Amino acid sequence: DIRMTQSPSTLSASVGDRVAITCRASQDIRNWLAWYQQKPGEAPKLLISLASNLQSGVPSRFSGSGSGTEFSLIINSLQPDDFATYYCQYYNSYLPEKTFGQGTKLEIK
Amino acid sequence: QVALRESGPALVKPTQTLTLTCTVSGFSLTASGMCVSWIRQSPGKALEWLARIDWEDEKYYSTSLKTRLTISRDTPKNQVVLTMTDMDPVDTATYHCARSQGIFSPFDVWGQGTMAVVSS
Repeated sequence: DIRMTQSPSTLSASVGDRVAITCRASQDIRNWLAWYQQKPGEAPKLLISLASNLQSGVPSRFSGSGSGTEFSLIINSLQPDDFATYYCQYYNSYLPEKTFGQGTKLEIK
Repeated sequence: QVALRESGPALVKPTQTLTLTCTVSGFSLTASGMCVSWIRQSPGKALEWLARIDWEDEKYYSTSLKTRLTISRDTPKNQVVLTMTDMDPVDTATYHCARSQGIFSPFDVWGQGTMAVVSS
């Protein structure tokens, strides 16, 4: 099974900061990686697919990079609306049962 | 506009069966490539995929839970139903349904989720 590990678990930052969240895969997943944003009480929202493809409507301050086993989600110039929990997911799996990272909570400093 | 909405009981007793319904709109369950999955989120734990039904009515289950899960659909009602038997307090979670446009695709639209607490 491929396991996804995110770091850090919690990240404190201020409005205007640039932050990076890392996701590591236990084996090579090429670029089959998605990033989701979830706010309390809301549905997760797909931000990025194929490691770096921004979904329609997602602000350009979000970007994704990486391939193989190491990936990053970068948020430039943090906005108040960005404080949320972020998850990575390996999705090129027939049975994607353990394919989500454990999440990174982005908090206001 | 594509949307998914979950419904189900808020409280279930141990050993009982949980039945959850996902009502979809804005797309057809039988359109080529369309899949609906159930994913749960336990407090303090990672998102866990449970089951999927695809546009050809093929069903896929988590290997660790497959003996307890059944996924089905009611196409005229635009609904996907998940049943989970023999509920335990560790199954307390928010249960989401989510769409993917292909088996090997990310979940592009999610429902808000329905919380199920397992307690006597």
